[in-house]
Amino acid sequence: SQLAEENLWALSVHEGESVTVNCSYKTSITALQWYRQKSGEGPAQLILIRSNEREKRNGRLRATLDTSSQSSSLSITATRCEDTAVYFCATSSSGSWQLIFGSGTQLTVMP
Amino acid sequence: DMKVTQMPRYLIKRMGENVLLECGQDMSHETMYWYRQDPGLGLQLIYISYDVDSNSEGDIPKGYRVSRKKREHFSLILDSAKTNQTSVYFCASSFMDRGDTQYFGPGTRLLVL
Repeated sequence: SQLAEENLWALSVHEGESVTVNCSYKTSITALQWYRQKSGEGPAQLILIRSNEREKRNGRLRATLDTSSQSSSLSITATRCEDTAVYFCATSSSGSWQLIFGSGTQLTVMP
Repeated sequence: DMKVTQMPRYLIKRMGENVLLECGQDMSHETMYWYRQDPGLGLQLIYISYDVDSNSEGDIPKGYRVSRKKREHFSLILDSAKTNQTSVYFCASSFMDRGDTQYFGPGTRLLVL
């Protein structure tokens, strides 16, 4: 089973609305990253939040991390059509160079 | 301008042919990665390279090998390609820090007939 996974396979919202993508993981982590992958492109990192942090912001994006429930959320405010993409969470653990990616949530922002 | 490049972007091969996928980065990153991405499976790590000639298997190394002779260049080789290796392959790079940001290339779409 996935060690990191987003909770929903797909979401759709209308432009201007806010949306939250959730992620859960199963191991002790040193950091959690959120990536976005637009169609035909490689993933691009949005936010990196370390295990001793509870919240991180990047413009319209806000990520939270709850290590007690082993979960994270990525919120996007004032969504735009260009936010349409697959959103992945990825976790890192001590003793490993590997990032464990979830299978992603497809977000569609409609006009 | 931080960049990871991949060549070719699209490739069609017949089963049994050899395949060479190339990746380059201009950020002097020590660590480089090869992933494959299939629908519904996310990104699966094939190989990781810590530096020149220092490579390690990832989760799905069978059927693949890698070569890294220069820090900025990392190759993925499929000897005698199989149809189940049809996929999208991504290269990534990062600084040598566990959990650091990975920078991805645009991907190579490989079709093995």
